[in-house]
Amino acid sequence: QVQLVQSGGGVVQPGKSLRLSCAASGFTFRSYGMHWVRQAPGKGLEWVSVISFDGSKKYYADSVKGRFTISRDNSNNMLYLEMNSLRVEDTAVYFCVRDHSGIYLVYWGLGTLVTVSS
Amino acid sequence: DIQMTQSPSSLSASVGDRVTISCQASQDISNYLNWYQQKPGKVPKLLIYDASNLEAGVPSRFSGSGSRTDFTFTISPLQPEDFATYYCQQHDNFPWTFGQGTKVEMK
Repeated sequence: QVQLVQSGGGVVQPGKSLRLSCAASGFTFRSYGMHWVRQAPGKGLEWVSVISFDGSKKYYADSVKGRFTISRDNSNNMLYLEMNSLRVEDTAVYFCVRDHSGIYLVYWGLGTLVTVSS
Repeated sequence: DIQMTQSPSSLSASVGDRVTISCQASQDISNYLNWYQQKPGKVPKLLIYDASNLEAGVPSRFSGSGSRTDFTFTISPLQPEDFATYYCQQHDNFPWTFGQGTKVEMK
């Protein structure tokens, strides 16, 4: 079965960096686009970023463009989100998500909490 | 970026009711609109894709309609397990965007 196991969350000071990881299994990772979606405490869902199956295309929400970088390692079935210049408003649970044919989000990791606080 | 506006932000309903949620896009997105359900402490679950297509395994009391900028999501009849928050999401263009959510609460 599809599994997305996330790691790398934690508490970080404003302006610092953090890298999130997502280990995928149960499907052919190199065949699917992968996304990051976040949810601030008590708030709604916010799409963050996507990377194409081969890593050639990447898109970002305006709120993170220039600060976050999505990447993947298809040899090791890993997805990453490098987050730089973190802000208090980046505090959220971050979900690693696999899409279905670029149409919808179908498999979600359990999420990892990132808290940006001084 | 495409803005998605959901209404209402919350509603109270009883088991057996018909519940309708609206989602408006800031520009024409054809039928590239999905609906998700999220329960507290759980990850979102896809219910409807491309405006009106029911995801496999999702009960038929859930339905969706609409195109271009105006979309509707309906639950009929509402069941006890349907009390949750619902989100619309467009996939016409990146960045994908979600509506702000509609919380369906028990009356």
